[in-house]
Amino acid sequence: AQSVTQLGSHVSVSEGALVLLRCNYSSSVPPYLFWYVQYPNQGLQLLLKYTSAATLVKGINGFEAEFKKSETSFHLTKPSAHMSDAAEYFCAVSYNQGGKLIFGQGTELSVKP
Amino acid sequence: GAVVSQHPSRVICKSGTSVKIECRSLDFQATTMFWYRQFPKQSLMLMATSNEGSKATYEQGVEKDKFLINHASLTLSTLTVTSAHPEDSSFYICSARDSGRGELFFGEGSRLTVL
Repeated sequence: AQSVTQLGSHVSVSEGALVLLRCNYSSSVPPYLFWYVQYPNQGLQLLLKYTSAATLVKGINGFEAEFKKSETSFHLTKPSAHMSDAAEYFCAVSYNQGGKLIFGQGTELSVKP
Repeated sequence: GAVVSQHPSRVICKSGTSVKIECRSLDFQATTMFWYRQFPKQSLMLMATSNEGSKATYEQGVEKDKFLINHASLTLSTLTVTSAHPEDSSFYICSARDSGRGELFFGEGSRLTVL
């Protein structure tokens, strides 16, 4: 079975500060890992994905994530937060790239001016 | 990029009526689509996997007679909430797997409000 745990349901940072959203996974097989962003009343937009290639994955909007097998983690980072980054972020795991996704609880990111 | 369209984006209905939500892949074929449900301030919960030309696979705890899924073509899956009740009010989101590239794309979601 697979599962994802996102530490912190709410994270608040100042504009220009580092963004760190935590995600730990559990999987009996090598996982595919994803980060999605959701703005209010909208669907999900893929930020980045890990598919067993490079462990450091760069995504859109300046986000990146590092797959650490030893820590079973896939934390999302961005060096400098922008006001437009305020949204809900979901980490997800799957057995394959196009398979069903198991989502974490989500982390709401607030960005203060 | 690939686009998945959901319709309607918002729907309000009376208790006891049935509501159909469509999920279309606009520029790719999707033999598999997924339906998720999201309550306010919560995560997405997978309801079922929709397979073109065959019966949907429902997750544990999801009533198949309540949430009817039909995947009649390679670009369309529908979710029908039958005899809707206020507790069925939620945000329903579909995702479609591009059969060629193997990637998943999400629709914009459909907000159902049952009065």
